[in-house]
Amino acid sequence: NAGVMQNPRHLVRRRGQEARLRCSPMKGHSHVYWYRQLPEEGLKFMVYLQKENIIDESGMPKERFSAEFPKEGPSILRIQQVVRGDSAAYFCASSENPGLYYEQYFGPGTRLTVT
Amino acid sequence: AQSVSQHNHHVILSEAASLELGCNYSYGGTVNLFWYVQYPGQHLQLLLKYFSGDPLVKGIKGFEAEFIKSKFSFNLRKPSVQWSDTAEYFCAVNAGGGSNYKLTFGKGTLLTVNP
Repeated sequence: NAGVMQNPRHLVRRRGQEARLRCSPMKGHSHVYWYRQLPEEGLKFMVYLQKENIIDESGMPKERFSAEFPKEGPSILRIQQVVRGDSAAYFCASSENPGLYYEQYFGPGTRLTVT
Repeated sequence: AQSVSQHNHHVILSEAASLELGCNYSYGGTVNLFWYVQYPGQHLQLLLKYFSGDPLVKGIKGFEAEFIKSKFSFNLRKPSVQWSDTAEYFCAVNAGGGSNYKLTFGKGTLLTVNP
């Protein structure tokens, strides 16, 4: 479980700046999921990616948010022109195969604060 | 849309007390159910899961959960808690079908066990 890495762990951005959150899945995992936890809320699904493909982005806000999982390197969640409402904890999970018969292993999260 | 309710925000127990954490979900179809735990300073970890079959599910560290379909509930239990069970506990639901990777979490219950 400790194999899913996220960085940075804490990120402070001023309104209007860009935030880039990185997720390195566990070794051998090619499926990545991003979740967001707003204050006083549970984690909510944002996007599911495989290498070089976005499979399901139904939970992503339509504007300012994008995600990628390139052939090489970590998955990136990008938030452009951040606003105070983007302040949240962003969690990444990875699995060996899709579907919940294969456990999703979570990273420690990135806590984004927008000032 | 699915939603998950966890009734207790913070539960405080003494060691050896029995534990029951409530979880209700709103979804009329077939569901897959999970409990995750987050120990202080650590990642979310899977505690137990239910897909089908025996509605009483055994997990790690002596935890169990019972799926009661008629009540849309999946309560977590442990007969005798230990100080090391101090953590935040999250109930999660997946509606299965074509999106069998998408988890919806409750807000979490913080459990404090006093020695």
